[in-house]
Amino acid sequence: DAGITQSPRHKVTETGTPVTLRCHQTENHRYMYWYRQDPGHGLRLIHYSYGVKDTDKGEVSDGYSVSRSKTEDFLLTLESATSSQTSVYFCASWTGNTEAFFGQGTRLTVV
Amino acid sequence: KNQVEQSPQSLIILEGKNCTLQCNYTVSPFSNLRWYKQDTGRGPVSLTIMTFSENTKSNGRYTATLDADTKQSSLHITASQLSDSASYICAVESNAGNMLTFGGGTRLMVKP
Repeated sequence: DAGITQSPRHKVTETGTPVTLRCHQTENHRYMYWYRQDPGHGLRLIHYSYGVKDTDKGEVSDGYSVSRSKTEDFLLTLESATSSQTSVYFCASWTGNTEAFFGQGTRLTVV
Repeated sequence: KNQVEQSPQSLIILEGKNCTLQCNYTVSPFSNLRWYKQDTGRGPVSLTIMTFSENTKSNGRYTATLDADTKQSSLHITASQLSDSASYICAVESNAGNMLTFGGGTRLMVKP
């Protein structure tokens, strides 16, 4: 948990509304990642970033976008939330071959 | 496609007993293998990180092994405690783009 925080921790939103989740790290890590975790699945990569304004898609990126304007902040946006995006979202940061730090998670419910 | 598979999916043991969790992977090119502990409602926390040349690594009562030839790893928990109740996740980092591929986890419950 050290040096990485997510906000909000819990959110309930309606189908079709935009939602933004925030990840903030104080480790000065170059790489940041957004995952979702669902029952029966491992952590699945949504988007990742190699640095400021440098992002790319993961395996489950449809319906999500990200932005990284500062090293310490990585935002995940659901442009138009759907019920299939109900999940627990985790942000992580690391520098490769070192310990990865994960946030506490954001539990998102789309109704 | 890179994959990490863990077994068993869930496990119940009595306090004080030992247990071993398994992880098989097909990730290439291999960089390192990690074991994480995830308590309910929290993010994963690193237990061990092993590179290609490391066969075993310990962290207190947790001992991880790695056989890079067979692409298998195990996590052995000695003298289990109630606080060991959690999900244990195996993850493999690839050299290609610093990516982590996660297994589905093993949910361990330690009963008194």
